[in-house]
Amino acid sequence: EPEVTQTPSHQVTQMGQEVILRCVPISNHLYFYWYRQILGQKVEFLVSFYNNEISEKSEIFDDQFSVERPDGSNFTLKIRSTKLEDSAMYFCASSDTGVWQPQHFGDGTRLSIL
Amino acid sequence: SQQGEEDPQALSIQEGENATMNCSYKTSINNLQWYRQNSGRGLVHLILIRSNEREKHSGRLRVTLDTSKKSSSLLITASRAADTASYFCATANQAGTALIFGKGTTLSVSS
Repeated sequence: EPEVTQTPSHQVTQMGQEVILRCVPISNHLYFYWYRQILGQKVEFLVSFYNNEISEKSEIFDDQFSVERPDGSNFTLKIRSTKLEDSAMYFCASSDTGVWQPQHFGDGTRLSIL
Repeated sequence: SQQGEEDPQALSIQEGENATMNCSYKTSINNLQWYRQNSGRGLVHLILIRSNEREKHSGRLRVTLDTSKKSSSLLITASRAADTASYFCATANQAGTALIFGKGTTLSVSS
């Protein structure tokens, strides 16, 4: 069964550095999402992406964050200048018809900011 | 906040027992979805129930939806140790552009 893959599985970065989290969504999916989960807490929506543009972003997704689909397969989340509070699990998800159908999640990238 | 909360926050049961988790939400919905998250892993979709459905089954899972009370429940029958995980309900935002998750119920099933 096709799956969403995320790399790296764990990223350790110094505060203030830029990080890029990578995702390969399921190939025929058109809708892409990033979520964040701080340890032990709920899964929080960050951003949704469709037709090469952002559909929705949450208040968490400030100017330090950006997303890109640089080619036909990758979907990236960039944090320009990381803060300690950015430490979390970041999950990528994709679906073929948006939120009205199940979303398929990757296993996440654990981001640790030192 | 659009999404309500699941309850209980944590549930511990023995293998073979049934587990019931509840979810409340605040706005009108098109559908409601349940997901499972094993420790250290991504979320896995379990079941989707549409707003015009009252009950849905999938294997040992039974989901009910009461739109008048804005609530849903997930029942896992004859639980197994492998059911140990966190369970989340999720609904779409009004614009249909984001999925909003509740805080989840952590289920522990001991053998």
